[in-house]
Amino acid sequence: GAGVSQSPSNKVTEKGKDVELRCDPISGHTALYWYRQRLGQGLEFLIYFQGNSAPDKSGLPSDRFSAERTGESVSTLTIQRTQQEDSAVYLCASSLNRNQPQHFGDGTRLSIL
Amino acid sequence: QQQVKQSPQSLIVQKGGISIINCAYENTAFDYFPWYQQFPGKGPALLIAIRPDVSEKKEGRFTISFNKSAKQFSLHIMDSQPGDSATYFCAASRGYQKVTFGTGTKLQVIP
Repeated sequence: GAGVSQSPSNKVTEKGKDVELRCDPISGHTALYWYRQRLGQGLEFLIYFQGNSAPDKSGLPSDRFSAERTGESVSTLTIQRTQQEDSAVYLCASSLNRNQPQHFGDGTRLSIL
Repeated sequence: QQQVKQSPQSLIVQKGGISIINCAYENTAFDYFPWYQQFPGKGPALLIAIRPDVSEKKEGRFTISFNKSAKQFSLHIMDSQPGDSATYFCAASRGYQKVTFGTGTKLQVIP
């Protein structure tokens, strides 16, 4: 596709379960970003990938959160032992390189019961 | 620490009117100031952006005004239309990587 693709679009899970969220960036984009958007709030930066490495993980809120990127393409954000406060929309963005504007996907809406 | 403050939280404007959203930042290292438009269920889309070496940038009905000394910038939407109804986020970053977003303004343009 032409844009950033995220899956699933919605995820409902029970507290304590692990979840994996997937991001397919725009083809050829070397930079990839994850953000969290809580209801009615702005976006919080989580992590930035340049290629397959993550030079900035400063936004990950706890060690329950991790992310990886393989093949300079797909990225997965994993949340272990989910808590209710993890409920949010998780947005992925990509850019051609670190010096270009970011293009966002439509996000994964995560609900923790 | 909230580094980008945005106001108002919500805004109702008559069709044809001017919508104005204001933002203030704290980090003087920021050198890129984008505005994003977000419709319900969609990701933010880049609308317009400015660098601090200019005081104003206009693209169609959208204008950013930038006041470096006051560390403030604003978005003006001229001739507002119902299709402009969305949530608008200001943002700031040093370079393009770690973007700090404001809390958003929900704009409603009524016919």
